[in-house]
Amino acid sequence: AQKVTQAQTEISVVEKEDVTLDCVYETRDTTYYLFWYKQPPSGELVFLIRRNSFDEQNEISGRYSWNFQKSTSSFNFTITASQVVDSAVYFCALSTAISGTYKYIFGTGTRLKVLA
Amino acid sequence: GAGVSQSPSNKVTEKGKDVELRCDPISGHTALYWYRQSLGQGLEFLIYFQGNSAPDKSGLPSDRFSAERTGGSVSTLTIQRTQQEDSAVYLCASSLERASSYNSPLHFGNGTRLTVT
Repeated sequence: AQKVTQAQTEISVVEKEDVTLDCVYETRDTTYYLFWYKQPPSGELVFLIRRNSFDEQNEISGRYSWNFQKSTSSFNFTITASQVVDSAVYFCALSTAISGTYKYIFGTGTRLKVLA
Repeated sequence: GAGVSQSPSNKVTEKGKDVELRCDPISGHTALYWYRQSLGQGLEFLIYFQGNSAPDKSGLPSDRFSAERTGGSVSTLTIQRTQQEDSAVYLCASSLERASSYNSPLHFGNGTRLTVT
């Protein structure tokens, strides 16, 4: 079964704190992709990062960093020195090829509130 | 515009009426997806198009829901005899997807907020 679990429904932090959003996935495929999307209050989902299953190298982009660990089937997202503008719902997604079709499976999202 | 375009942005309809939601994907994107997002909830997969065909329509909630795509471009999601539980934001996404590649990120439209009264 293909599944993405974001156990944290909502997180509140004070500005400048670091925060980690958890994502755990399940798949039997050996080749797959993982994604993070941000959905700000305006509603449009914005692509943040893509990672393939063969590349476990962690990635840093400004205040954002991602930790991919196949051993624990996790793809966690950390925001360093959070800002109010980071307030949004963040979705983790898994993409696999099943019988020739391509499914994107999303987690239920984590709502991040950054308080000034 | 270069992004995914959805229309209308808001739709209020009476229970029992039919509605059509339109999605105009990014030019050249062969894959198109419809998702539904209820208030405060995650994304519920509805249907996936590759070109004009729909290899996966497993997420359509009932036979009141249907979708088509023509010319490998515009897609229409139709909901017949709308019910109050159909109220949600309907999101369309497209991706540049080749047969051997499913690493293309999805590009989402702003969605259509459907309210059934």
